[in-house]
Formats: sequence, structure tokens, C-alpha cells
Amino acid sequence: EAQVTQNPRYLITVTGKKLTVTCSQNMNHEYMSWYRQDPGLGLRQIYYSMNVEVTDKGDVPEGYKVSRKEKRNFPLILESPSPNQTSLYFCASTTTGGASSYEQYFGPGTRLTVT
Amino acid sequence: SQELEQSPQSLIVQEGKNLTINCTSSKTLYGLYWYKQKYGEGLIFLMMLQKGGEEKSHEKITAKLDEKKQQSSLHITASQPSHAGIYLCGADDYKLSFGAGTTVTVRA
Repeated sequence: EAQVTQNPRYLITVTGKKLTVTCSQNMNHEYMSWYRQDPGLGLRQIYYSMNVEVTDKGDVPEGYKVSRKEKRNFPLILESPSPNQTSLYFCASTTTGGASSYEQYFGPGTRLTVT
Repeated sequence: SQELEQSPQSLIVQEGKNLTINCTSSKTLYGLYWYKQKYGEGLIFLMMLQKGGEEKSHEKITAKLDEKKQQSSLHITASQPSHAGIYLCGADDYKLSFGAGTTVTVRA
């Protein structure tokens, strides 16, 4: 079954304690991205990756890091989480069948609370 | 990046009634996506529109893209409880940008 998985689904942590949210897709997609969703702000892109070892900043990259060592995995790293990073996070992967023909597959989401 | 404005922000509709959600872009849309999200869950792709004047339907949901490719509407006919959720439009601007979403509540 084609899917994007994220772990953990729920996480409560304290300010400054490094954490990693994993994302994995089994569709051999080149393009992967991370979003955060906050009430009234919709989905905002944090980072994206066009392929292995190719990553770039989205709209709200501050406080986050990513890596893309393998095609299927795209972990999101918070080196020193702060309360303003409390949010619902989504990983997505995308077919790239041309400049305007891609459909994103979303993971189930990770609800992060930073106290 | 693309600025997308959705309206209304939320709506409540009686079961069996129709509803329409609008998505307006600050730039010409090269690709417009509609997604549905159950609260706190991932997004489910509904449909994609690319050509001016294009209209697509899936079951009771119809989406249109205007000729100028700056506005799209999503119309649900005879709404059911299963249509409740958050609807988001996304624009293809090399990377995907999203509107803030429209929360739909269907009352029995």
C-alpha cells in the first residue's frame, strides 16, 4: 500500500531537548516536504527536498533542520525546540510528473507540544 | 510564494443542502489542488485543476477553475455528514502553497 508514515504521532517535550520526527515513503518519490499547521494560518512549508542530498528552505524554516540521505526518508530535526514550535506537523511526498502535475501524499501528522 | 485566500473560513450546512467554498489567488494559477482533512489527520487529495475553465467532479463534489485561472470554487451537492472536515486549496507554484482552509460542519 502506498503510504507516508510519520513517527511519533504525538510528542510532548520540554524546551531545548533535541528531537527528531521521522518520515518515510514507499512510493519512490523524489520530492518530499515538511509542513506545519496552525489554527488560522493553514499549512506552511518548512523545508522541502527535490532528491537525495538536495534540500531547501520553505516558508518557515527557522528552528528546523532536515536531511535526505536516502530517497525514502526525510527526517525533521528540532535541535532546540521552543514553545512556538508547538504545532501539527505533516510530511508529504510527491510525484513529479511535470512542472504542474504533481499530487502530494500526506502522512498522518505528528502533534508536537513543547512546554 | 503564492498567496491563497479561502472563503468562508467556516460554514455550517444542513444535511442535504449544497455548499460552495472559494479559493482566490494573488497570481495566475498553474495548478490548483483541493484537499480534504479530517480534524487532526492527514490531507486527502480530492482533485487538481490546470486549465482555465476546467471543471472536475467526483461523486457529489465539483471543482471549477475560472478562465483567468485566479479563482477556484468547490461545490458540494446534497451534503452528508461524511463531507464534514477542513477543505484546503493548494496552488502549484513550484512548491505547493495552501490556503488557510474552510471548516465544514454538516448538521443532521
